[in-house]
Amino acid sequence: KQEVTQIPAALSVPEGENLVLNCSFTDSAIYNLQWFRQDPGKGLTSLLLIQSSQREQTSGRLNASLDKSSGRSTLYIAASQPGDSATYLCAPRGNNRLAFGKGNQVVVIP
Amino acid sequence: GAGVSQSPSNKVTEKGKDVELRCDPISGHTALYWYRQSLGQGLEFLIYFQGNSAPDKSGLPSDRFSAERTGGSVSTLTIQRTQQEDSAVYLCASSLFQGSSGNTIYFGEGSWLTVV
Repeated sequence: KQEVTQIPAALSVPEGENLVLNCSFTDSAIYNLQWFRQDPGKGLTSLLLIQSSQREQTSGRLNASLDKSSGRSTLYIAASQPGDSATYLCAPRGNNRLAFGKGNQVVVIP
Repeated sequence: GAGVSQSPSNKVTEKGKDVELRCDPISGHTALYWYRQSLGQGLEFLIYFQGNSAPDKSGLPSDRFSAERTGGSVSTLTIQRTQQEDSAVYLCASSLFQGSSGNTIYFGEGSWLTVV
């Protein structure tokens, strides 16, 4: 069974700082990995998808890296803004499903 | 529709009653997933549909839980004889066909179920 761990569980940073969110997973036999954002009381919003053959993917201020063999992914958010406050979830995809950890809960302080 | 649509958005039910939760996936998406998110917990996989068939229902927690999908579109998750531990957010997601590794999975806003 795929186990996903996200560190740190929670963090607060002042506006403008760069964010580094870490994800590790136990089974490297994945098809791809998605990063999601979840706001309180809301569903999940897809941020980035990295194919298993890729090393990184970028979208605006977001950059995600993937080291499949070591079971790690990192999400970088540059120049954080208060609107980035949310829970971030990484989800490696195996057969028929995404696996989730408990997320990184981020607060960006104005 | 533009996104994955779920109804009801909120449901309060008495213990022992049956509930039905509905999911309308993005048009053209053949893969459909149900997940459950309990307070303070990660998302828990329940069931996966490809078209109308469910090749993986291994996440359903008990035989009180069932799901169906008709016409390759709308899916209904049914919980019979609800228990308090069933209280959670039930999230539905969809994607283009499962066979390609590159397809983004999109989630709905969830159905918040409270069993009292």
